[in-house]
Amino acid sequence: ETGVTQSPTHLIKTRGQQVTLRCSSQSGHNTVSWYQQALGQGPQFIFQYYREEENGRGNFPPRFSGLQFPNYSSELNVNALELDDSALYLCASSFGDRELNTFGSGTRLTVV
Amino acid sequence: EDQVTQSPEALRLQEGESSSLNCSYTVSGLRGLFWYRQDPGKGPEFLFTLYSAGEEKEKERLKATLTKKESFLHITAPKPEDSATYLCAVKDGSEKLVFGKGTKLTVNP
Repeated sequence: ETGVTQSPTHLIKTRGQQVTLRCSSQSGHNTVSWYQQALGQGPQFIFQYYREEENGRGNFPPRFSGLQFPNYSSELNVNALELDDSALYLCASSFGDRELNTFGSGTRLTVV
Repeated sequence: EDQVTQSPEALRLQEGESSSLNCSYTVSGLRGLFWYRQDPGKGPEFLFTLYSAGEEKEKERLKATLTKKESFLHITAPKPEDSATYLCAVKDGSEKLVFGKGTKLTVNP
């Protein structure tokens, strides 16, 4: 059974640029959630995708968007990057509305 | 709005010195309280889910308990490899987990 994998592991971008982060869900899981974790903080919910549709969104602006593909993998896109977007971005997968979320190791994004 | 507060922010223990971490929460319709362990630069690793007041779960040196307003993570005779940040999160009827800021535990040999 494979876990959740995220790519890339680290990324440095310039303010104003756009970035795409990728996530492969755990085998058998059909739901993907994305979280942002700033340094010294707990993860904050960005959004969730279920069956390729957005299924809930946290307090993040529209420049944060996502996709889920038929194989349940997912992308997080962030446009017009700001310095405050620097954080660890975590992907978690689950099966339907089951509470157990399996997290990936994250992508460390640095905006300079 | 759901809220989770963890205390202390940081805790230093000597190897073998037992202690407890606290997670206070307010949530409308608790669907689960979760404890995760997070190592530096890594994603959270699931430890426990508790669903109702009075419930307890154990795993090795860790024991989690739940009341109507808070949860405790008890660490018995900790070892240096228990050093990590411990995160508490709650889920209501929605799709999201609401996390606390975590407690950074350091266990010195």
